[in-house]
Amino acid sequence: EVHLVESGGGLVKPGGSLRLSCAASGFTFSSYNMNWVRRAPGKGLEWVSSISSSSTYIYYADSMKGRFTISRDNAKNSLYLQMNSLRAEDTAVYYCGRDRLFGSSWFDAFDIWGQGTMVTVSS
Amino acid sequence: SYDLTQPLSVSVALGQAARITCGGDHIGSKDVHWYQQKPGQAPMLVIYRDTNRPSGIPERFSGSNSRNTATLTISGAQAGDEADYYCQVWVGSTWVFGGGTTLTVL
Repeated sequence: EVHLVESGGGLVKPGGSLRLSCAASGFTFSSYNMNWVRRAPGKGLEWVSSISSSSTYIYYADSMKGRFTISRDNAKNSLYLQMNSLRAEDTAVYYCGRDRLFGSSWFDAFDIWGQGTMVTVSS
Repeated sequence: SYDLTQPLSVSVALGQAARITCGGDHIGSKDVHWYQQKPGQAPMLVIYRDTNRPSGIPERFSGSNSRNTATLTISGAQAGDEADYYCQVWVGSTWVFGGGTTLTVL
């Protein structure tokens, strides 16, 4: 069965750092583009970052550029999000999502999602 | 930046058709995807590339996209369809989500 499981969330002070992980199973992880999306309390979905299957292409939402870094380790079937200089407004549930297309060079809809990990930025 | 506009809320009587719109400049020229998210759950893809249903999604979910508006239609809405719905497009090497629409089934 196809699964994505996020981990690494927690409580962090403003200005602090956190590294999220997303463990994939049940599919050929190295052949799919991957994504991070978040949902802050009381707000809607917000795209965070995307990475192509071989890490050739990496994209970020403007508000995350320079603070967040997406990466992946295909040998470990894992996706990561390094978050630095965290702010209160980064408080959200963070989801990883799999691109729908196998072996594609362009990005498509997210067909598999993890259950999310909560990040709380507060002093 | 590119904006997608959705109504904050839509209400529909049980068994009737619900239509959720997603407005954007020339959105008809883009591929639109739709997600459903229920409280405490992860989002779920219900329509991809304007009109396509992933396997396991009921036929009552359909989509259309033309000119400046994409529409998700739920024919014969059920109580279990109550959720937040989001449209999504890829533009300028970024993903953009609409603000989300809360569907209430009366």
